[in-house]
Amino acid sequence: AQKITQTQPGMFVQEKEAVTLDCTYDTSDQSYGLFWYKQPSSGEMIFLIYQGSYDEQNATEGRYSLNFQKARKSANLVISASQLGDSAMYFCAMRSIQGAQKLVFGQGTRLTINP
Amino acid sequence: NAGVTQTPKFQVLKTGQSMTLQCAQDMNHEYMSWYRQDPGMGLRLIHYSVGAGITDQGEVPNGYNVSRSTTEDFPLRLLSAAPSQTSVYFCASSATGFSYNSPLHFGNGTRLTVT
Repeated sequence: AQKITQTQPGMFVQEKEAVTLDCTYDTSDQSYGLFWYKQPSSGEMIFLIYQGSYDEQNATEGRYSLNFQKARKSANLVISASQLGDSAMYFCAMRSIQGAQKLVFGQGTRLTINP
Repeated sequence: NAGVTQTPKFQVLKTGQSMTLQCAQDMNHEYMSWYRQDPGMGLRLIHYSVGAGITDQGEVPNGYNVSRSTTEDFPLRLLSAAPSQTSVYFCASSATGFSYNSPLHFGNGTRLTVT
C-alpha cells in the first residue's frame, strides 16, 4: 500500500524567505509519481509540480522545486522567495503504477507567510 | 476551457435525505474520481471511473453511489445522508487512470452539511 507522510502541520515563514515543506512516502512499486498541490483559503486544489520516480533531475516550476531523494523516500517542496500569496495548505500526493487509479494524499501542511 | 465543473457549491441536507452532486469535465479525460476532504485527514478517495461504463470503489465508498454513462459526467449520489457525510467533496479527472505520471485536475469543491 502507498502512504504519504507530512510531518509539519503548520509552518510560519517571513516574506521573501525560502521554505521547505517535508514529504516522505512509502511504496513497494518502482514506478511512481509524486505531486504537490496548493489549496488556498478559497478552497480549490491547484496542481504545482510533478516528479517521476525515474527522473534523474529535480523538478522545477518557477519558484517551486522538488527536492527528490529517492533512497530516503522523500519529496520535499521548496518555495523560493516566498510571497504573501503563498499562504495556503499544501498537500503531497503519490500515484504508483500498481495503483494508478488512486492518488494518495498526505494530511497537508498549512503555510503562513508573515509580512 | 471550463475544466472540471462541480455543482452545487454549497448544500445543506437533513439526515435521511438523498441528493446528487454533479461533476462534468470538458477535457475528454478517461479518468474521473470523487474525494472527500475532512479536517486532519487529507483527501480520501470515494469512487473512481477509468472510462464510461466502468466504476470502482475507493477508500471510503459506503453511503455513496456513482455511475458513468458518458465520458464527460460523473455524478455522486448520497443515498441517505448522515451527519458523518458532512465534508467538502471534490471531483477530479485526469487523462488516464492507468498512468502514474498524469496529474489530477480538480473541481472547486462542494461543501456539504448534513444536520
